[in-house]
Amino acid sequence: ELKVEQNPLFLSMQEGKNYTIYCNYSTTSDRLYWYRQDPGKSLESLFVLLSNGAVKQEGRLMASLDTKARLSTLHITAAVHDLSATYFCAVFLPNAGNNRKLIWGLGTSLAVNP
Amino acid sequence: DTGVSQDPRHKITKRGQNVTFRCDPISEHNRLYWYRQTLGQGPEFLTYFQNEAQLEKSRLLSDRFSAERPKGSFSTLEIQRTEQGDSAMYLCASRRSRLGPGELFFGEGSRLTVL
Repeated sequence: ELKVEQNPLFLSMQEGKNYTIYCNYSTTSDRLYWYRQDPGKSLESLFVLLSNGAVKQEGRLMASLDTKARLSTLHITAAVHDLSATYFCAVFLPNAGNNRKLIWGLGTSLAVNP
Repeated sequence: DTGVSQDPRHKITKRGQNVTFRCDPISEHNRLYWYRQTLGQGPEFLTYFQNEAQLEKSRLLSDRFSAERPKGSFSTLEIQRTEQGDSAMYLCASRRSRLGPGELFFGEGSRLTVL
């Protein structure tokens, strides 16, 4: 059974600082996604990582994937308050055929303080 | 097209009543998913459609839950004889078929409160 673990689950950081969120998963998968969720809102797609060594960057966020280590990281550079949200990683469980399920981590609740 | 839309956004009901949620996916997306999310948790998979066919349903899903997508466009999720444990945010998501990176596009969700 695929398990997805995020670390840390809660993160309070100061504006201007850097930090990394980790996402470990327990079995082979070929796709990993990062989503953002603001309180009371839905999930917004941030990154899609499809291969080993994939790195994607958008603004102050950078995501990477190491399929051998079964690890993805979401790095935050020079945090700003607008980045305060919950960040989820999600991994596709490779089932037979085309019916795949997306297995989610518990999310990392990020608070960026002035 | 403005994305995935869900209705109603909020529903308060008494235990034992039936509720129905509607999801309109992005028009060119043939795959549609329902998830449930409770506070502090990630989304939990409920069921999945490809066009009008319901291809997978979570084993954890009670028989009180049923979903349809009659014409392969919008979908409904019905919960019969609601229980307090059904209180959650019900999220609908859609995506294209095999082509593309496969990311899901989510609606704003339907929040259910069972009293």
